[in-house]
Amino acid sequence: DAMVIQNPRYQVTQFGKPVTLSCSQTLNHNVMYWYQQKSSQAPKLLFHYYDKDFNNEADTPDNFQSRRPNTSFCFLDIRSPGLGDAAMYLCATSRDRRDSQMGETQYFGPGTRLLVL
Amino acid sequence: AQSVSQHNHHVILSEAASLELGCNYSYGGTVNLFWYVQYPGQHLQLLLKYFSGDPLVKGIKGFEAEFIKSKFSFNLRKPSVQWSDTAEYFCASPNAGNNRKLIWGLGTSLAVNP
Repeated sequence: DAMVIQNPRYQVTQFGKPVTLSCSQTLNHNVMYWYQQKSSQAPKLLFHYYDKDFNNEADTPDNFQSRRPNTSFCFLDIRSPGLGDAAMYLCATSRDRRDSQMGETQYFGPGTRLLVL
Repeated sequence: AQSVSQHNHHVILSEAASLELGCNYSYGGTVNLFWYVQYPGQHLQLLLKYFSGDPLVKGIKGFEAEFIKSKFSFNLRKPSVQWSDTAEYFCASPNAGNNRKLIWGLGTSLAVNP
């Protein structure tokens, strides 16, 4: 089945120790997103890639970076995790057309739960 | 600013009860609307969506939603809920200036008692 895969499902890191979360997709979608979701809250968009074009949200801290080496993979790097960064991190994909006037359905992975000690 | 609001934050129902979750949006132009569902321990998934055409949209698992432009609403309904419908439900709409960014409601936590 085509899907969005996130590894690991659970990640424990130490305060200030860099951590990388990974996402891969077999849907061949051109857009990949990273969201942060805290308990009982809506997902918060951190950034997204349209093909190779990186789009950062204005309120995403500099502590969060991303890489997309190819269509299938996308990484979220947290350079110096703080206690406030403990959350579920969701990867999503969509197939978008650049001239599309509509929002496309986003397909989500299962998430990586990050714990910061 | 464009917004999506969900009025019911926590809903508790018994099995076989009818469900209606409210969603209102603020944008006055052409609007697309989504309902996503997050079952316990599972990933967010699309329940249904409205882009254009018939304002009554049917989704998976017996859910439906009606787009009422005059009321700026897109309420989710199910005539008879099951215990397995226990989940978090999110209404969302693409940002008018950047349609890849979704504006999310705060979510409604639904608990269905067997």
